[in-house]
Amino acid sequence: EDKVVQSPLSLVVHEGDTVTLNCSYEVTNFRSLLWYKQEKKAPTFLFMLTSSGIEKKSGRLSSILDKKELFSILNITATQTGDSAVYLCAVYSGGYQKVTFGTGTKLQVIP
Amino acid sequence: KAGVTQTPRYLIKTRGQQVTLSCSPISGHRSVSWYQQTPGQGLQFLFEYFSETQRNKGNFPGRFSGRQFSNSRSEMNVSTLELGDSALYLCATRTGLTTEAFFGQGTRLTVV
Repeated sequence: EDKVVQSPLSLVVHEGDTVTLNCSYEVTNFRSLLWYKQEKKAPTFLFMLTSSGIEKKSGRLSSILDKKELFSILNITATQTGDSAVYLCAVYSGGYQKVTFGTGTKLQVIP
Repeated sequence: KAGVTQTPRYLIKTRGQQVTLSCSPISGHRSVSWYQQTPGQGLQFLFEYFSETQRNKGNFPGRFSGRQFSNSRSEMNVSTLELGDSALYLCATRTGLTTEAFFGQGTRLTVV
């Protein structure tokens, strides 16, 4: 059975801190890994990663994939209170791109 | 460009009843996936439809079913509701196999 595990489950940091969120996976026929941010209801797309070692960057957020060790990290630098959310990792696998989500990391940024 | 629309936003049902939820995808998106999200279990995949055909299915009982219409709109049905079916039901749509999914705002179902 495909599995996606995120760590830590929750995290509390102060504004300005840098955080690293982890996502490891065990799936059959990996296709891509995606990161989403969920603040209230609808998760919003952050990154899609398909190749190892290529960093994706958007402002203070960046992410990288390691297909050999089967994990990805999401970095957030100079955190702000608006970064408080649940960050979800999802992996597409198989011929029909089945999606498996991790349980998420709840990040709370305090002033 | 309109986003993913889910209706209704909130729903309260009693045990034993059935419910139908709707998801209208972004124009051009042919894939619609459904998820159940609960505090304890996270986001769990229910099923995915592409061009009116179910092509992936999660580990949910047969009480959970779905369908997709020719205009790509999808409905999800839950029969014989149980208290444990109370959850946020999200749908996500994408254009095809290799693209990111966009989520709707969800339907909050409460079973009493």
